[in-house]
Amino acid sequence: AQKVTQAQTEISVVEKEDVTLDCVYETRDTTYYLFWYKQPPSGELVFLIRRNSFDEQNEISGRYSWNFQKSTSSFNFTITASQVVDSAVYFCALSEAGDSSYKLIFGSGTRLLVRP
Amino acid sequence: DAGITQSPRHKVTETGTPVTLRCHQTENHRYMYWYRQDPGHGLRLIHYSYGVKDTDKGEVSDGYSVSRSKTEDFLLTLESATSSQTSVYFCAISEGTSGTVRYNEQFFGPGTRLTVL
Repeated sequence: AQKVTQAQTEISVVEKEDVTLDCVYETRDTTYYLFWYKQPPSGELVFLIRRNSFDEQNEISGRYSWNFQKSTSSFNFTITASQVVDSAVYFCALSEAGDSSYKLIFGSGTRLLVRP
Repeated sequence: DAGITQSPRHKVTETGTPVTLRCHQTENHRYMYWYRQDPGHGLRLIHYSYGVKDTDKGEVSDGYSVSRSKTEDFLLTLESATSSQTSVYFCAISEGTSGTVRYNEQFFGPGTRLTVL
């Protein structure tokens, strides 16, 4: 069965600190897709990144970086030099290629609080 | 931003009353989804649609029904609302597959906060 685990319920850091949000997934599919979404205090869900299982290159986008490791079934998200605007709930999600619904399986989310 | 709207944005209702939430998209995407968000659970899939009049159940479909009579609209109905259905409801859309390219990203509407008293 597919599952996404975000063990960190809440993280609090001081501005300019680096922070890593963990995501561990379970799937029996050999081809799958991993996602991160951001939910700021305003409530909307913002798509951040998609990673395909056959592409293990890590990705960097500005202060954001993602570390995909198939060997440990992890897709961790790092924010470098955090800012107050990064305060949000972050969700990791999984979609399996064998699932014709294209549905996303979400983790329970990690609430990040960045203090000034 | 993906053109997705949800209505109403907030609703308070009483136990036992019917409630319909509407999701409208302007992207002409094939797939539409209804999720509910509850503390400690992330988002859970209620129902989804893969085309006009084509729908299927998700993980938490009990007590909910859906309809899709047009590509752009996906309705979620609570036939007889219960307090356990107090939640934030999100609609999402996805293009699915175009040619040989698979698009899994889902784009979400602003959400509807439903309170059942």
